Amino acid sequence: QAVVTQEPSLTVSPGGTVTLTCGSSTGAVTSGHYPYWFQQKPGQAPRTLIYDATKKHSWTPARFSGSLFGGKAALTLSGAQPEDEADYYCLFFYSAVRVFGGGTKLTVL
Amino acid sequence: EVQLVESGGGLVQPGGSLKLSCATSGFTFSDSTMHWVRQASGKGLEWVGRIRSKPNSYPTIYAASVNGRFTISRDDSTNTAYLQMNSLKTEDTAIYYCRVEDTIKKLDSWGQGTLVTVSS
Repeated sequence: QAVVTQEPSLTVSPGGTVTLTCGSSTGAVTSGHYPYWFQQKPGQAPRTLIYDATKKHSWTPARFSGSLFGGKAALTLSGAQPEDEADYYCLFFYSAVRVFGGGTKLTVL
Repeated sequence: EVQLVESGGGLVQPGGSLKLSCATSGFTFSDSTMHWVRQASGKGLEWVGRIRSKPNSYPTIYAASVNGRFTISRDDSTNTAYLQMNSLKTEDTAIYYCRVEDTIKKLDSWGQGTLVTVSS
């Protein structure tokens, strides 16, 4: 099974910008992996922020954006808010099977 | 309002079985793909499997860790998805979430989860 790799932890200052990335053990991440990004706060269910690498849901704050860059999927947070402190997970498609990354704990400090 | 409510979790012995339910409302269930995702305490998310809709002939697919032991099904008449878990192992202990996904309709929502504990 493929392995999806994320930074274990990152820290961003309030109002700052941070980029989280996801890589694949099978090689470069492409649009064919249909990258997803999820946010999970302590004690809560996850919620979906980004799908198909770059698409946002109506509830996704505008400060979040998704992209493909340097062979990885990326989630960029521009203008971090204290409420953005959470765990973030990516997910890739491998044919019909889906695989989550290990998650990134984002601290806003 | 889209709602997903999981139930059926609890304590089960290793080797036992358990069936989880995901009752839904607020969207056209019969058109939607349903996923199950689990999360062990203090750990990350793990995709368990999914079932597609009737027009796609209800195909199911599973993660390697549960393939052959878990079965996902659905009842479009009651808007409910199910996760039948057999031959349970201690490592199956987790919160189990159901999730609906329909990228065409921009529908994506998660339930609050149900806890399954496999222990003797």
